[in-house]
Amino acid sequence: EIVLTQSPGTLSLSSGERATLSCRASQSVSISDLAWYQQRPGQAPRLLMYGASNRAAGVPDRFSVSGSGTDFTLTINRLEPEDFAVYYCQQFAMSPWTFGQGTKVEFK
Amino acid sequence: QVRLQESGPGLVKPSQTLSLTCSVSDDSITGGTYSWSWIRQPAGKGLEWIGRIYTGGSTDSNPSLKSRVTITVDTAKKVFSLKLTSVTAADTAVYFCARETADYTVLTGKYNRRFDQWGQGTLVTVSS
Repeated sequence: EIVLTQSPGTLSLSSGERATLSCRASQSVSISDLAWYQQRPGQAPRLLMYGASNRAAGVPDRFSVSGSGTDFTLTINRLEPEDFAVYYCQQFAMSPWTFGQGTKVEFK
Repeated sequence: QVRLQESGPGLVKPSQTLSLTCSVSDDSITGGTYSWSWIRQPAGKGLEWIGRIYTGGSTDSNPSLKSRVTITVDTAKKVFSLKLTSVTAADTAVYFCARETADYTVLTGKYNRRFDQWGQGTLVTVSS
């Protein structure tokens, strides 16, 4: 199976700063086969990004993704208070679908 | 917007079978561009995909659980269900149902897949 490793485990930042979250795959995948989710405490994950550069409905353009091969990045520009949460990458390149272990973006 | 709602017992005894149902609020459960998954999350941990079912009834599941997992769909009732046999404490988790949408992009020649709709999740505890 494809293992996704996210780093860092925790990112301590302030509102207005930029968050850079990494997702590394154990084998090459297309960015089109990656999705990113946000999860707030006590809630279900929420789809953020999929299929390279597609934002889910209602997701602001301060969220973007980049990368290729095995290394991918979710960037959140100008952090807003509601952005402090856990973020997961997930792959659809090969079954079983797998998730990274998550990166927590917390208030500094 | 479609809503998904999990239901089922919150407590299951070890060695017994965990049974959950996900109700889908609209007719998308009959749509060909969707499949329907179960995903779980132990407390304080990450997400694990359990398996999925297509409208036509074909299934795909995680090899780590495959021998214990059965997923079924009843499009007339707009529900899909999960059975997980021989449970242990390691199966204690919040269980989510989710819709996977796949649409074809001519530009890339690939399907864009994502879990775009999720249920709120239901906690299942395995304990005697």
